[in-house]
Amino acid sequence: AQSVAQPEDQVNVAEGNPLTVKCTYSVSGNPYLFWYVQYPNRGLQFLLKYITGDNLVKGSYGFEAEFNKSQTSFHLKKPSALVSDSALYFCAPFREYSGAGSYQLTFGKGTKLSVIP
Amino acid sequence: NAGVTQTPKFQVLKTGQSMTLQCAQDMNHNSMYWYRQDPGMGLRLIYYSASEGTTDKGEVPNGYNVSRLNKREFSLRLESAAPSQTSVYFCASSEGRRNEAFFGQGTRLTVV
Repeated sequence: AQSVAQPEDQVNVAEGNPLTVKCTYSVSGNPYLFWYVQYPNRGLQFLLKYITGDNLVKGSYGFEAEFNKSQTSFHLKKPSALVSDSALYFCAPFREYSGAGSYQLTFGKGTKLSVIP
Repeated sequence: NAGVTQTPKFQVLKTGQSMTLQCAQDMNHNSMYWYRQDPGMGLRLIYYSASEGTTDKGEVPNGYNVSRLNKREFSLRLESAAPSQTSVYFCASSEGRRNEAFFGQGTRLTVV
């Protein structure tokens, strides 16, 4: 079963405008949720995570994400987009497998963010 | 300050050839992963190792084998390469599910 969904393949936003990249998850138990970013021809870099506590988490490069348990969502946000934010963004929950308390890090299909000057 | 190191960075194979992708991490992490990235598919987990001496299949294990040689190294082997295995392969490591994973720079593999 799919653990995570990123409903938008691409998001376009004008520079200076707020941006949102959506993510919904379906994992059992307490979710451990991450956002990663991938710049062209590079590996993935960690942005932020939700483990427990405050539903609004802040991360690198001015990004933040809001955890919503009732909607099972973990949307990535930034108040003012930069052209340099253009990249591929992945939502990634840890998924329990084997029913033995073991976890695998799984990824959504990614959302391409394009910030237009 | 190397983090996760993958070799090689690029490789072209002929159908039926074999090869091993190497991965090493210097952060003393217990968990290591191999993913493949294809356009529109995101990252799909091939194999996972929770600790030295253990490995588990991920979402797309067919056609691959892995070895967790020691705590630092986790290799991925293609015994008989197929064009469907043309992809970008990423190795990653982490320590528990509360902490972020660190990724290598990737191996771009083409099977002709």
